[in-house]
Amino acid sequence: GEDVEQSLFLSVREGDSSVINCTYTDSSSTYLYWYKQEPGAGLQLLTYIFSNMDMKQDQRLTVLLNKKDKHLSLRIADTQTGDSAIYFCAVTTDSWGKLQFGAGTQVVVTP
Amino acid sequence: EPEVTQTPSHQVTQMGQEVILRCVPISNHLYFYWYRQILGQKVEFLVSFYNNEISEKSEIFDDQFSVERPDGSNFTLKIRSTKLEDSAMYFCASSGDSFSTDTQYFGPGTRLTVL
Repeated sequence: GEDVEQSLFLSVREGDSSVINCTYTDSSSTYLYWYKQEPGAGLQLLTYIFSNMDMKQDQRLTVLLNKKDKHLSLRIADTQTGDSAIYFCAVTTDSWGKLQFGAGTQVVVTP
Repeated sequence: EPEVTQTPSHQVTQMGQEVILRCVPISNHLYFYWYRQILGQKVEFLVSFYNNEISEKSEIFDDQFSVERPDGSNFTLKIRSTKLEDSAMYFCASSGDSFSTDTQYFGPGTRLTVL
């Protein structure tokens, strides 16, 4: 079945850019998402990209998709302390289908 | 902004007891989901529900689990006889209005503790 992998931890200084990486195995993954989870809270949808796109920019967030390598990344520009959270990559082959999640990357922003 | 809500936020139960977790999806959404996250593990899909029936379920979703949409607003997950290993955070999600099916919005979760 589908496997989604993420690095577990990222430490970044306030004001720097953060890059969170994700790899997946199913080449038919069509919809790819990034969710954010703050302590004690649910999963907040941050952004998403379709497999027919290479890049999507949304304010401080940039998503890059390399379909050949099955690699997805999320770049956060000018990282703030409020960006400290766990970031989950999730993929699905159908718009209504189940999401397959990575284990999440804990991002810690230091002053 | 519309959001998915879940109750209770935390449920403590004894092993063998039945629990019902409740969710109110976003009002014009058509697809409903349950996921769970055991502490320290990945978020796992349990079941999806569309047009008043289960559209897909995982191997975790055995006969102990059931889902229901008892009225036009609620979506429930019932665990018939809880086990210790059912302790997890349970997330409800919904998606799909008339215009788009492609984004699942999650609730804040219910933390289930089985003693």
